[in-house]
Amino acid sequence: TQLLEQSPQFLSIQEGENLTVYCNSSSVFSSLQWYRQEPGEGPVLLVTVVTGGEVKKLKRLTFQFGDARKDSSLHITAAQPGDTGLYLCAGANGGNTPLVFGKGTRLSVIA
Amino acid sequence: DTGVSQNPRHKITKRGQNVTFRCDPISEHNRLYWYRQTLGQGPEFLTYFQNEAQLEKSRLLSDRFSAERPKGSFSTLEIQRTEQGDSAMYLCASSKTGVDTEAFFGQGTRLTVV
Repeated sequence: TQLLEQSPQFLSIQEGENLTVYCNSSSVFSSLQWYRQEPGEGPVLLVTVVTGGEVKKLKRLTFQFGDARKDSSLHITAAQPGDTGLYLCAGANGGNTPLVFGKGTRLSVIA
Repeated sequence: DTGVSQNPRHKITKRGQNVTFRCDPISEHNRLYWYRQTLGQGPEFLTYFQNEAQLEKSRLLSDRFSAERPKGSFSTLEIQRTEQGDSAMYLCASSKTGVDTEAFFGQGTRLTVV
């Protein structure tokens, strides 16, 4: 069974601070997706990384896929209260298997 | 197309009753997934369809759970004889077929069994 471990589990920071959350596995994934989920809502896709070493930027969010395609990180610069939510990473392994999710990092950005 | 749609958004039921949820995927997506999410956890895979064929079922899916996608469009998830442990958010997602295609989620159905 492929497992994704996310850390930290909880993170509470002040507005304007930078942060990094991690998604690690002992398994190789063909791609990795990051989602943000707000209470009572479904996860919303932020980005998909496919190539080992790939870096993608989405405004203040920077996503990186590890060279070996076993891990990923999400870095947020100058966090804002609107960034508050549950950040989930999900791994895919080819086209015939469903996504495997980590437990998520719950981020709280305090104004 | 407005994305993946799930109904109802909330359901409260008494223990032992049957419930059915519906999911309408993005129209051009031929894959449909059901996940369950409990408080503090990430989504756990339940089952998925490619068109009308149910390709995989998780061991989490007990005999009381059944899912269908009769015409390869919308899907239903039925839980029979609900138990308090079934209380969770039930999420539906859809995607196109192919390697590394992206999955898009609905807003979920929150089930509370009392």
